[in-house]
Amino acid sequence: EAGVAQSPRYKIIEKRQSVAFWCNPISGHATLYWYQQILGQGPKLLIQFQNNGVVDDSQLPKDRFSAERLKGVDSTLKIQPAKLEDSAVYLCASSLAHSYEQYFGPGTRLTVT
Amino acid sequence: EDQVTQSPEALRLQEGESSSLNCSYTVSGLRGLFWYRQDPGKGPEFLFTLYSAGEEKEKERLKATLTKKESFLHITAPKPEDSATYLCAVQARGTSYGKLTFGQGTILTVHP
Repeated sequence: EAGVAQSPRYKIIEKRQSVAFWCNPISGHATLYWYQQILGQGPKLLIQFQNNGVVDDSQLPKDRFSAERLKGVDSTLKIQPAKLEDSAVYLCASSLAHSYEQYFGPGTRLTVT
Repeated sequence: EDQVTQSPEALRLQEGESSSLNCSYTVSGLRGLFWYRQDPGKGPEFLFTLYSAGEEKEKERLKATLTKKESFLHITAPKPEDSATYLCAVQARGTSYGKLTFGQGTILTVHP
């Protein structure tokens, strides 16, 4: 069974530029999560989708971050404009609906200079 | 606000030297407590879910236990391949299903 796919794996941008990350969850997983993991910290949930609807986006900085999950499968997370403090690993995870077990992708390491 | 604190921040062991990692939590009603393993450059990998005080789960050299305020991850006779960051997370009642609050992790290094 293929795992959660993410791209790109690494991205370096200058502050005020925009960037987008892509995630393809495990086939059949209705729930998709985006996390931000700053170096030395645990992951922090940014947004949770159930199919193509948003379940929780309470910790998403909506002035600069946006996310969508078209057709309830792939998802894209965008940052515009980026700030230095956005440097982190962005993790995508998926799970079956109403399952506790989340499967994580390898993440995208973003460096903002 | 839900909080998870892990200790120690880093732990160095010799191969075969058993030890425990601690996860203290404050949550308004626990739905579940989770342990994950994270290797460098990879996403977290699910290990255990614990639901109620007194519950224990085992997997190879790892055993997780849960009380009303904390969880322990016991590592028996560790091997170098057990080296990783171990993350603890909680899910609180009243939050969206699947919303996890993570601790900062314990970096475990096992020397041969």
